[in-house]
Parts: sequence; C-alpha cells; structure tokens
Amino acid sequence: ETGVTQTPRHLVMGMTNKKSLKCEQHLGHNAMYWYKQSAKKPLELMFVYSLEERVENNSVPSRFSPECPNSSHLFLHLHTLQPEDSALYLCASSQDYGGASDTQYFGPGTRLTVL
Amino acid sequence: GQNIDQPTEMTATEGAIVQINCTYQTSGFNGLFWYQQHAGEAPTFLSYNVLDGLEEKGRFSSFLSRSKGYSYLLLKELQMKDSASYLCAVKDSNYQLIWGAGTKLIIKP
Repeated sequence: ETGVTQTPRHLVMGMTNKKSLKCEQHLGHNAMYWYKQSAKKPLELMFVYSLEERVENNSVPSRFSPECPNSSHLFLHLHTLQPEDSALYLCASSQDYGGASDTQYFGPGTRLTVL
Repeated sequence: GQNIDQPTEMTATEGAIVQINCTYQTSGFNGLFWYQQHAGEAPTFLSYNVLDGLEEKGRFSSFLSRSKGYSYLLLKELQMKDSASYLCAVKDSNYQLIWGAGTKLIIKP
C-alpha cells in the first residue's frame, strides 16, 4: 500500500448505530487530518493531529470522536449521527503541522450516508 | 472573515486552453495550493505558489499575484481526463488551509 488509504470506502448507517472510519498513511508523515466534504461546499477541517497529539478541534459535534493511536493511523468514531452528517469524509497527512509549504496528501475518502 | 472565491463550473473543449481563477481574502498569506479531484477520488496536489509569478509544470501552470489576492490555474491541450474539480486553498497567518468550494471543469469532445 502506498500513500493514504481509507476504509471503508462507503458506509450506510442508521442514526442509532456506532461505526468507525479508519485512515492509514504510508508516507512517514507526522501530521494527520480529518475533513468533511459536502457537495458544492469548501472542505471543512474537523480535526488535526501532530505527533499523535490533537492540535485542532474546529467546533465539531461530540458525536464525532477522533483517535490517533500512532503517527500512521487515524480513526473517526461515529455515534448517533444525523442525516445532515452525510458527506464524504477525507483523511489527509502532511510531513509536519504548521509549515508554510507543507503539502497535504489525501486518501480517497469514505462516502457516508446516514439514514 | 476569510474567503476564497472560484467559479462553480466551467466548460471547455478538448485540445483547448482553460483558465480557472481564484480570488482570496485571508488573514495573512503563506502560500496558495491547487488540487485536482476526480469524482469519487482523493484530491491530488497540483501546485504551490508563494511568490508572485507563473509556475509551469507540463500542461498545467499556476499564477499568483499577492497584491491582488488572485491566482489562476491554466490548463493547456485539454484532455478528457482533465474533467475534474479543481480546488484552490490558501494558508493563512496561522498556517491553516482555507479552501474554496472548487470549480467543476467539464471537457467536451
């Protein structure tokens, strides 16, 4: 595997379910990100981890819970979601956090549908 | 507030040239990124500009004017595979990436 991988690619869940999204980066990077992408809207940054420590939490509802067990893995735990949470959830990584030219590399995303 | 503006959708013909504009108003500036995103796929990095001027990479070029808060992505010799969304993003003074909503480019034969 190369780059940034995400599983599952598609997820349908009811509002009372609990599920987790997984992201893995094979680039040796120190920073990882979760984004939400809704149709015709800018990417919304949800969480940032640098060296396994959370550094950003942009007013995300508590029904989204991130976890970063090591610098290569990032999870997003989901529970009691709402239909408006249906979106593409993208994971990204970069060499470091906070650099001007640091480029973020993205995974293919998980298409989430909440019924 | 911080804002990135780019056209929602553009159409161009195979073999032609297209210019996708991006204007920004951000608190500080630490560089501008362009990404390409095919439907259902990951955004992929195209270019990074931090100084004024034109950067050329094969069929793709990116231009920046910091005084005007303006950038464009120029695609030459368009191919059908260039049909995608193109995302503009600016790093502000806190090194946060501020994203535009993307421009969907449709290439017609």
